[in-house]
Amino acid sequence: AQTVTQSQPEMSVQEAETVTLSCTYDTSESNYYLFWYKQPPSRQMILVIRQEAYKQQNATENRFSVNFQKAAKSFSLKISDSQLGDTAMYFCAFTNAGKSTFGDGTTLTVKP
Amino acid sequence: EAGVAQSPRYKIIEKRQSVAFWCNPISGHATLYWYQQILGQGPKLLIQFQNNGVVDDSQLPKDRFSAERLKGVDSTLKIQPAKLEDSAVYLCASSRDLFYEQYFGPGTRLTVT
Repeated sequence: AQTVTQSQPEMSVQEAETVTLSCTYDTSESNYYLFWYKQPPSRQMILVIRQEAYKQQNATENRFSVNFQKAAKSFSLKISDSQLGDTAMYFCAFTNAGKSTFGDGTTLTVKP
Repeated sequence: EAGVAQSPRYKIIEKRQSVAFWCNPISGHATLYWYQQILGQGPKLLIQFQNNGVVDDSQLPKDRFSAERLKGVDSTLKIQPAKLEDSAVYLCASSRDLFYEQYFGPGTRLTVT
């Protein structure tokens, strides 16, 4: 069975600063994908960033980047220059061909 | 392109009643997912379809939950009979294929009283 653990239930950051959200996972699979999704208050879940396990290079998407450590089974999300609109619940997710597993999320609050 | 559509958006029923949710995925998406999201938790995968075949339904309570994907497009999720612990948001998502990012619908908030 695969598991995804987000050890930080809540975090806060000042506007314009940088914050890192942690995620660890456990799997025996070698071929999988990792994702970070964002769920703003009362709004739909949307993709933030995606990482293929076979790629060593960390994915980046504008102000969002990941630190993927395959051996340690760690997949953290860094948000640079935080904006008020980044306030949301962030979910780490693991997908292989047969199953998708989500963590329980980290609630991020960006303070003005 | 149109997003994932779900209906109804809200539903209140009494325990032991039945309820059905509908999902229309993004056109051309082969993979469809149903999740249950309890307040304060991450989405839990109930069932995953690849076209009109089931890929995984290991966490679907099959004594009360059922789902089908008609002609590999629309999908319905049914609960019969409902229990209090079924109160949650039911999310539908679709992806182009396995391993691709998922696009989520707005969800159906179910309250069982």
